[in-house]
Amino acid sequence: QQPVQSPQAVILREGEDAVINCSSSKALYSVHWYRQKHGEAPVFLMILLKGGEQKGHEKISASFNEKKQQSSLYLTASQLSYSGTYFCGTERGDYKLSFGAGTTVTVRA
Amino acid sequence: DAEITQSPRHKITETGRQVTLACHQTWNHNNMFWYRQDLGHGLRLIHYSYGVQDTNKGEVSDGYSVSRSNTEDLPLTLESAASSQTSVYFCASSWDSVNEQFFGPGTRLTVL
Repeated sequence: QQPVQSPQAVILREGEDAVINCSSSKALYSVHWYRQKHGEAPVFLMILLKGGEQKGHEKISASFNEKKQQSSLYLTASQLSYSGTYFCGTERGDYKLSFGAGTTVTVRA
Repeated sequence: DAEITQSPRHKITETGRQVTLACHQTWNHNNMFWYRQDLGHGLRLIHYSYGVQDTNKGEVSDGYSVSRSNTEDLPLTLESAASSQTSVYFCASSWDSVNEQFFGPGTRLTVL
């Protein structure tokens, strides 16, 4: 079952902040975040593991609420390079990812 | 450098034809995955493999098959292509669930 992402789209000016949310109805082992530029492959940003460990991008932060099965990705002081579609992928301990429908982020100068 | 490649990058075929998309990775990852990406649906899992001779169905496996005869390759076959299978296909590989999946560049398939 696919996780639910919100919002579907967000428009920012350089320097502004945004939060992307991802929620699942199933118990999760980990949450992965990827960013995809138009016409390119998804690129890994971060993994959040059950128990609180995080692995990934130094300039992007995220949280994982295990009780609520929710994760949030925080884009802080956005740059033009942050534009793209962000996907969360939820994993239940079986190495498979179920991806959300994506959040399109547009950062304008 | 280790990498994951897909071929062809673009393919146009006709309804009813058999099509095979190739995926090759040089990381020696045991786990390999095939996804399709359509507007509004994100990435949906077609088939996956945890190792040689192991294959499993994902959420949208109807009309697709895979085989895993070695660690490096997981070809995806459309037995009889349908217009509904027009999509962008991504292959990915990983060590395990606590590490990232590496995605290939994608194959854009059009079924006429």
